[in-house]
Amino acid sequence: AQRVTQPEKLLSVFKGAPVELKCNYSYSGSPELFWYVQYSRQRLQLLLRHISRESIKGFTADLNKGETSFHLKKPFAQEEDSAMYYCALSMGRGSTLGRLYFGRGTQLTVWP
Amino acid sequence: DAGVIQSPRHEVTEMGQEVTLRCKPISGHDYLFWYRQTMMRGLELLIYFNNNVPIDDSGMPEDRFSAKMPNASFSTLKIQPSEPRDSAVYFCASSSGQGLTTEAFFGQGTRLTVV
Repeated sequence: AQRVTQPEKLLSVFKGAPVELKCNYSYSGSPELFWYVQYSRQRLQLLLRHISRESIKGFTADLNKGETSFHLKKPFAQEEDSAMYYCALSMGRGSTLGRLYFGRGTQLTVWP
Repeated sequence: DAGVIQSPRHEVTEMGQEVTLRCKPISGHDYLFWYRQTMMRGLELLIYFNNNVPIDDSGMPEDRFSAKMPNASFSTLKIQPSEPRDSAVYFCASSSGQGLTTEAFFGQGTRLTVV
């Protein structure tokens, strides 16, 4: 079974503090991992994907196949980072592989 | 491209009424997904299509829910009859089976309230 686990439903930090949102997955193949962000009452937007190895809005995420993790990190959180963050997994391309498996989400609140 | 377009943005209906949600995917995308978002259960996949064919509808909660994709540019999600517990935000998303990644693009969602 494919499963994405985000152990923290809620996470609060102060502005300027480091933040790490955890994501673990279970999949025996080579997954594609994503982080989506949803600001208040807006659509889900792709934040970053592991295949691009990019930094978006100061966030980074490294795929650790040994630990089956894809944690999202930012060294200095900002108030505008407050949002719901979803980790998602895809098994890749193909007619039965196109769907995304989402974690339950982590609500991040950054206090001033 | 304007992205994934959903209509209506908000829907308030009485219990027992039929509700139809609409989605226009991004042109050229061959996957279309319907998700439901609630506080209690987060994001749940209801059904998804590949090249207009339903691939997995195991997430559809009951026979009251049905989805169609008559062509590559349009899909509907129908609830008949609606119940208060169906109140949620329903998202449509589309993705391409080509290219380097399988990123999904989401619509703005339809906020459904059944009273």
